[in-house]
Amino acid sequence: DSGVTQTPKHLITATGQRVTLRCSPRSGDLSVYWYQQSLDQGLQFLIQYYNGEERAKGNILERFSAQQFPDLHSELNLSSLELGDSALYFCASSVGWDSLETQYFGPGTRLLVL
Amino acid sequence: QKEVEQDPGPLSVPEGAIVSLNCTYSNSAFQYFMWYRQYSRKGPELLMYTYSSGNKEDGRFTAQVDKSSKYISLFIRDSQPSDSATYLCAMSAGNTDKLIFGTGTRLQVFP
Repeated sequence: DSGVTQTPKHLITATGQRVTLRCSPRSGDLSVYWYQQSLDQGLQFLIQYYNGEERAKGNILERFSAQQFPDLHSELNLSSLELGDSALYFCASSVGWDSLETQYFGPGTRLLVL
Repeated sequence: QKEVEQDPGPLSVPEGAIVSLNCTYSNSAFQYFMWYRQYSRKGPELLMYTYSSGNKEDGRFTAQVDKSSKYISLFIRDSQPSDSATYLCAMSAGNTDKLIFGTGTRLQVFP
């Protein structure tokens, strides 16, 4: 158990809908990273927050947004969902903003868009 | 062409075998190299972390980086059924840069 929690574990929704994925980092970790994992693209970095502020952006679509709250939990919002958004979404956390080697991953949320 | 290429496998080996997992990459700026293990329905966990070229050993695992060939390897000695998982390579150009992952190689170790 990495100490990172993600809810829900599974999500089934329809095209065009909007969903929110939630992540609670390990105790003491200030950074939260969001990743998308699909069969053809592998694990892709979406966005990083550090202590409430956006720190780095990856291949995140405009239909997706994220935020980190004062209690350091983070939410990833996915809107106008398309079939291709079906994937595993992982959250990772680390103590600092430059902690490449100490990212701890959560168990993921499996999203299925029908 | 993807920045990081990794054979998806599956790679099936008998227990006790030496396993070799590999990734190639195109970005010569990459300096940080990692291997993650991901069990089915779990998040990735860091196995090995290497900076620049050279070898690093940790128990049954050895990571090698050849920057001249843009090629990294993970060797697993005395492989066990519990090593059955997907192995992801990841790399980055800097300590504050994003990680670029390979698509993963699925390994099956049978008794």
